[in-house]
Parts: sequence; structure tokens; C-alpha cells
Amino acid sequence: ETGVTQTPRHLVMGMTNKKSLKCEQHLGHNAMYWYKQSAKKPLELMFVYNFKEQTENNSVPSRFSPECPNSSHLFLHLHTLQPEDSALYLCASSQRLAGVGADTQYFGPGTRLTVL
Amino acid sequence: GENVEQHPSTLSVQEGDSAVIKCTYSDSASNYFPWYKQELGKGPQLIIDIRSNVGEKKDQRIAVTLNKTAKHFSLHITETQPEDSAVYFCAAGDAGNMLTFGGGTRLMVKP
Repeated sequence: ETGVTQTPRHLVMGMTNKKSLKCEQHLGHNAMYWYKQSAKKPLELMFVYNFKEQTENNSVPSRFSPECPNSSHLFLHLHTLQPEDSALYLCASSQRLAGVGADTQYFGPGTRLTVL
Repeated sequence: GENVEQHPSTLSVQEGDSAVIKCTYSDSASNYFPWYKQELGKGPQLIIDIRSNVGEKKDQRIAVTLNKTAKHFSLHITETQPEDSAVYFCAAGDAGNMLTFGGGTRLMVKP
């Protein structure tokens, strides 16, 4: 276990549904990330939060809406998704240290999302 | 932006043999190079990483080498075991803390 948990592990939803993915990190980190992993593409960064503030939105469609209420929890709210949004959604966390360069990121197990 | 290429996409070896996976990156500002192992149904797990002030790093059967001039880095696994079978990802990161991942290598170790 990496100290990053994600729920649910599997989710099937219709295109008109609204659902949320949850991530919690127990590592005391101050940065959290959402990634999308599709079968045919490399891991794609979606959002980055440092100290609860969003610092990166990698041109993600507005049907994906992140929320970071504190540095331990991260949500991804989903609405009116498309079948091509079906993928494994991974959460990661890291300890952001100024002047050190890129941090080591620790991943959760992911949520396997299927959009019908 | 950064672009990371990873080869091969699949690799099959006999148990006990060595496996080598190679990655190239495009942005000379990248200074952090982690390798992740992803098993079926799990998220990527960090197995080793290297920063740009180091040319090589070892951890038991795993080693990573970095050539900053050529902008490539490699993962070496010696004495492979069936439990090494997984998908391996390289990544390149910069001071902005963005990680760009390679496309992955599916390693199969045949007993």
C-alpha cells in the first residue's frame, strides 16, 4: 500500500449521470494530482493541487470538475461524460519542497470508470 | 512541452535473464527521472528514481542509468523473476513538478 486510497474502485455510469471520485492520502503530503490512463495513451496529467490551490489544469473538458477541500482529500466530480472518457483515473500525491525540483509522486490504485 | 519516448513496448525474457528498457526525453530542463511498475489492477508503484546530478543508481536487481548529453535513461533488471512481469513506465520531471510519462513497456518473464 502506498498510503493513497481511492474510492470507488470501479464505476459504471450513463452519459447523463453525475458521480464523484474520491482520493485520500495518508502521507502528510501537500500536493495532489489527477491522472487519466487510457489503453492506447500514456498517463495524462489532468489537474494539480498544491496546498489546496489548483496550479495546473491540463486543458481538461469542463465535464470534469476537481475539488480539493484540504491537502489530504481530492475529488473529481463527473457529469455528462462521453464513452471516450472511459479509463482508469489515478490519484497521486507528493511532498512539494521548494528548490528541490520535481517531487516523487505516489499513486493510488485508481478508479476504473466505464461510461455507457 | 516535454516528450518522452519509451522502447520497447513489449519485452519477453526468460527467467534469470536481464531486461533493459530505454527512454528518451526532449526537454533539457528535465532533472528527475522516476520509473514505475504497474501490476494488473493496481496503480503505478515507484521502483527507482534518479536525479540529473547522478549518472547511475542501483537498488538490488534494479539499476537506472542517465545520459544527460544524449537525453536518454534506461532501466536495467538483472536475474529477472516471474514476479517482475508487469508494465513499466518511465517519466521525466522538471522543477515545475510536472511529470511526463512514456508509453509503457509490458515485460513478460517466462519461467
